[in-house]
Amino acid sequence: GEEVAQTPKHLVRGEGQKAKLYCAPIKGHSYVFWYQQVLKNEFKFLISFQNENVFDETGMPKERFSAKCLPNSPCSLEIQATKLEDSAVYFCASSPDVGETQYFGPGTRLLVL
Amino acid sequence: ILNVEQSPQSLHVQEGDSTNFTCSFPSSNFYALHWYRWETAKSPEALFVMTLNGDEKKKGRISATLNTKEGYSYLYIKGSQPEDSATYLCSRGGTSYGKLTFGQGTILTVHP
Repeated sequence: GEEVAQTPKHLVRGEGQKAKLYCAPIKGHSYVFWYQQVLKNEFKFLISFQNENVFDETGMPKERFSAKCLPNSPCSLEIQATKLEDSAVYFCASSPDVGETQYFGPGTRLLVL
Repeated sequence: ILNVEQSPQSLHVQEGDSTNFTCSFPSSNFYALHWYRWETAKSPEALFVMTLNGDEKKKGRISATLNTKEGYSYLYIKGSQPEDSATYLCSRGGTSYGKLTFGQGTILTVHP
């Protein structure tokens, strides 16, 4: 597609439950990036992919967060055993090449109660 | 400068005013500077990507300049309109891996 699609738009989870977010990048874009925006703070980088390979995972909290980009499937970001502080908007972006414009999706708003 | 910093945090102007904001960033290992326009609950909209010192880019009434040696970029809006009301985000891409480091944004409100 011509836009980055993210599902669901909103997700509510009880503390300790699993959350799974999805991102369909723009067709033909090789790079996918995930960012976390907590409250009104700046966007924090989590992880990036070059096609199905992890490109940079320096921002990922490794204990409970995982992500995948498999061929012919939307990319996913999964949080095991969510905590209150995971409440945030999770943005996905895609770009044709590293260093080029990153096109953002509308985000998934996760609320952990 | 260790982080990306934007000023002011918020700005209120009248319709027709021209305005500008500043983005300061670490100049070492610099690759690109990205400006986005963002309305809450929508996708951040890419405005400009700039890489070269002295770059100037323009899109309609919005323009931006880049100084990579001193680590700053200015975004200008000429003749502000109410529809320009949004958060303007600046982000820096380093030489490694393409991830963006964002500033906290400048919230612009244009009053009719």
